[in-house]
Amino acid sequence: DAKTTQPTSMDCAEGRAANLPCNHSTISGNEYVYWYRQIHSQGPQYIIHGLKNNETNEMASLIITEDRKSSTLILPHATLRDTAVYYCIVRVFNAGGTSYGKLTFGQGTILTVHP
Amino acid sequence: DADVTQTPRNRITKTGKRIMLECSQTKGHDRMYWYRQDPGLGLRLIYYSFDVKDINKGEISDGYSVSRQAQAKFSLSLESAIPNQTALYFCATSDSPGQGSNYGYTFGSGTRLTVV
Repeated sequence: DAKTTQPTSMDCAEGRAANLPCNHSTISGNEYVYWYRQIHSQGPQYIIHGLKNNETNEMASLIITEDRKSSTLILPHATLRDTAVYYCIVRVFNAGGTSYGKLTFGQGTILTVHP
Repeated sequence: DADVTQTPRNRITKTGKRIMLECSQTKGHDRMYWYRQDPGLGLRLIYYSFDVKDINKGEISDGYSVSRQAQAKFSLSLESAIPNQTALYFCATSDSPGQGSNYGYTFGSGTRLTVV
């Protein structure tokens, strides 16, 4: 799976948009971008994923650059409860063989939302 | 009820003791996983199972064993616990190709294990 690079930490004011970048310059054509978050010591929570088109759901939006080498997770109106570690993961979806569904979690970005 | 339930939530055990961590799910997913999380090391895969008759080692399986008793149940055992197995343990599930969803993994709330 392709490696990702994320900033170690970011701050955001409550009510403002939080834009979390992720670099995945070695991404392959069949690899998806997944975002998860982990609120202190809880299990990681799926947020959103995409292949090449921008995606939006009730939690966030995902913007993937045209060359797919980077992406941005957008939390449109951050709240205090969005304070968490955000993980950007690139992996082949539902691959067989040796890609056995392993999620490789890096260090992620610690997002702190301030009042 | 949670989609993925882990028991116990917290456990303190002594070195050399056998301990079992249990995981059950109501997602109807075929695939189940056990991860451990240590500060600064992220989540690492211990074992995984793609169906009831399938068990596979992950990247750090030494000292652990698993049992997939049913589609919904996947337990992790530490045969002889040692202090460096002190960690936060997570169970996760995911669907299989053809099950229709590609939402990735659903994690349990974790079991905090301390080996003294």
